[in-house]
Amino acid sequence: DTAVSQTPKYLVTQMGNDKSIKCEQNLGHDTMYWYKQDSKKFLKIMFSYNNKELIINETVPNRFSPKSPDKAHLNLHINSLELGDSAVYFCASSQDIRFYEQYFGPGTRLTVT
Amino acid sequence: GQNIDQPTEMTATEGAIVQINCTYQTSGFNGLFWYQQHAGEAPTFLSYNVLDGLEEKGRFSSFLSRSKGYSYLLLKELQMKDSASYLCAVRSLEGGAGSYQLTFGKGTKLSVIP
Repeated sequence: DTAVSQTPKYLVTQMGNDKSIKCEQNLGHDTMYWYKQDSKKFLKIMFSYNNKELIINETVPNRFSPKSPDKAHLNLHINSLELGDSAVYFCASSQDIRFYEQYFGPGTRLTVT
Repeated sequence: GQNIDQPTEMTATEGAIVQINCTYQTSGFNGLFWYQQHAGEAPTFLSYNVLDGLEEKGRFSSFLSRSKGYSYLLLKELQMKDSASYLCAVRSLEGGAGSYQLTFGKGTKLSVIP
């Protein structure tokens, strides 16, 4: 059984479009995260939710909006996509907010043309 | 702010031992993690240190010195499958409300050669 799953795995879209990435974890974890990994492989946290509540909101354009319908799901919606949004987006989860032993999803490679 | 330094790339021979260093400067230090990331794949958790000393887990060990702001990951009996990027990540505890933050270093790409 997959612990943390993301869909889609690849996403190619044009500038200005709106897209969503879905994430689900079946580990019973309380905390979920979104990370962005750029072309230089630098991994940076974007958001963190604990029991559906937003607890970390890094300096990210407000075109990015996370939504957590329940603690097993954390989706990422991106409005008005820009070229600079091209990256791999990873969802992750951990037992609680202390980041200990995070499990990462397989990643979504977003390409904006 | 946070500053984490790791070498960009390293090469080592199959069967050998390699040490990947990580130095950091941070306020509110509250633990250090090492993750492994194979090309095109997700990071996977390797180790966690919050107190000074060495944590051993099979062929992998991680060391922390909080006073020096220094950690290393030691890989023994290197195998070809150990070729990957190794990410150091520092957790800090900020503010009176106890808000945890995690900052990753830029990773060290290890190439294991025959």
